[in-house]
This record gives sequence, structure tokens and C-alpha cells, in this order.
Amino acid sequence: ETGVTQSPTHLIKTRGQQVTLRCSSQSGHNTVSWYQQALGQGPQFIFQYYREEENGRGNFPPRFSGLQFPNYSSELNVNALELDDSALYLCASSLGGQLNTGELFFGEGSRLTVL
Amino acid sequence: GQNIDQPTEMTATEGAIVQINCTYQTSGFNGLFWYQQHAGEAPTFLSYNVLDGLEEKGRFSSFLSRSKGYSYLLLKELQMKDSASYLCAVNDNTGKLIFGQGTTLQVKP
Repeated sequence: ETGVTQSPTHLIKTRGQQVTLRCSSQSGHNTVSWYQQALGQGPQFIFQYYREEENGRGNFPPRFSGLQFPNYSSELNVNALELDDSALYLCASSLGGQLNTGELFFGEGSRLTVL
Repeated sequence: GQNIDQPTEMTATEGAIVQINCTYQTSGFNGLFWYQQHAGEAPTFLSYNVLDGLEEKGRFSSFLSRSKGYSYLLLKELQMKDSASYLCAVNDNTGKLIFGQGTTLQVKP
């Protein structure tokens, strides 16, 4: 069984730059959710993709955008980076979109530092 | 609004029992999860409750009362490796999880 993988694991950007984070979902899972976890805080929901469409969004500005591909892998894009975007970005895969009642399987995360 | 509360920090002794409480107020409810997260790592699944009562899984147990909006995670026979952050999360019935801020547990010898 293939787990959730994310890349890159660590990266450093400067304010105003753009970043793309990538996630491969667990084999057989059709839903990918992205979370932002600031230091010392719990993960905050950014958005969810189900069958290549955005399927729910948290309280994040439009400069946070995403994609899901036919193989259910996903990208998170953040434009015009701000210092407060420094965080661990977690990707989680699951089945069933909004109907999901099962656990989320998390990747190891991408740690973004904005200078 | 959506609100999940849990204590920020707890300390316990190796071999002891510790209970981590979580209260929640969410617009919808379709299950409560507990995750363990070691520093710098991804959260890992511990337990899931959707009906009232106690779920036991080895040294870990989790309890849910939906009428009270309350859950707890019970860790028995504490080991040093149990030092971690414990996250309470609610499925708000839209397929996403609302997380608490996490409880950092320090286990001392």
C-alpha cells in the first residue's frame, strides 16, 4: 500500500515569491485535503479536492489555490508569500469527499519558511 | 462558529495514567478523532469515536459524549515515547476535520 508523499520536505522563500507544494495521495484514495499548521497550533483546513474539483474551502485568501490531477495527486500554490505563511503544510488523503467519515492519512508535510 | 478546546500542556510520570480532555462546538458532527504528533512529524491516527461511549485500543482509550460535546483520550502505562502533541479533531460533516490546538504531553522519568 502506497502512503501519502509530499515534496519538497523543506523550502525557504522570500516575501512576494510564489511556491508550489506537491502531494501524491494514498493508493485508491480520491480525495485530498490541505492543512496549514503554524508552530504550536493545530492544523487549519485550507481546502479539499475531490475528483479534480475543489470541494470545500477554509478561511484562506484567494492567493492560496490548488489543483487535483486525474491520478488524484494534488498541488497547493501560494502566491505573494507573506511572513505569516511560514508553516508546515500537510496533505491528507481519504475516500469519498464530503461523505468521508473515515480517517485522514497524512503525509510528512512540507515545511515552508518565508523570510 | 467552530471551536475545539483542549489543554495546551500536560506533564505526567512514566508508568502513570493521563487523561487529555477535549470539548467541541461545531456546526455539524460526524465523528471525533485523536491524532498523535511528534515534533517535526505528521499526525498519526490514534482513535475514532462517532457513537457515545468508550473505545479501547491497547494502552489508549477514547471516550465520547455527543450531548456534552466532550471527549477524552486516556493513556495508560505511560512511556517516554508517548511525549508528543495530541490533537483532537471533529469531522464537521462536510468531510473536513476541525482541529484543536493540540495538547503537548511531557512524560518524565
